[in-house]
Amino acid sequence: QVQLQESGPGLVKPSETLSLTCIVSGYSISSGYYWGWIRRPPGKGLEYIGSLYHGGNSYYNPSLKSRVTISVDTSKNQFSLRLTSMTAADTAVYYCARLVGNWYFDLWGRGTLVTVSS
Amino acid sequence: EIVLTQSPGTLSLSPGERATLSCRASQSVGSSYLAWYQQKPGQAPRLLIYGASTRATGIPDRFSGSGSGTDFTLTISRLEPEDFAVYYCQQYGGSPRTFGPGTKVDIK
Repeated sequence: QVQLQESGPGLVKPSETLSLTCIVSGYSISSGYYWGWIRRPPGKGLEYIGSLYHGGNSYYNPSLKSRVTISVDTSKNQFSLRLTSMTAADTAVYYCARLVGNWYFDLWGRGTLVTVSS
Repeated sequence: EIVLTQSPGTLSLSPGERATLSCRASQSVGSSYLAWYQQKPGQAPRLLIYGASTRATGIPDRFSGSGSGTDFTLTISRLEPEDFAVYYCQQYGGSPRTFGPGTKVDIK
């Protein structure tokens, strides 16, 4: 059974950098699929952050592209999100997910709430 | 960026009733580049439909999707108690991938 689990800080100060990790179990990241991040701010809808293929290109939402990096560590079977210059507008539940063909998301983590506050 | 609009915002129905949810795109997403997800409080979203009309693995056949271009529909033929949740559409015909704001199906 494939499972994804987000980990990282629940609280980040304004202007700091958020680092989240998604640990994948039951499937080897290097075997295929795209891997990505989505977030849902309080009271708002889902927003695609970005995605990547384990040995290839990465894709980012233009609205966040200047601040986002997604990377993969196949040795640990995990992938990560780095979001710089955090503001209150970045407060959200962050989800990691597996994508089919970089198209739609067939498996999701349960999500982790990240609050930006001093 | 393709903007998705979902209607209604909230649908109040009773178990056993039929639910019809709409997703409209600001421009064509292609013939079938649309997915639907279900999310319950505190849970991860679950893929229901991809390719506008193909059910994901393990999804009951009371869920069906239709549409193309800019207008798509998710139908739940007979609501079961576990179907009361929020439903999101997502397009993958354009970049970036975008989601609709969601339709909440709650118990009348």
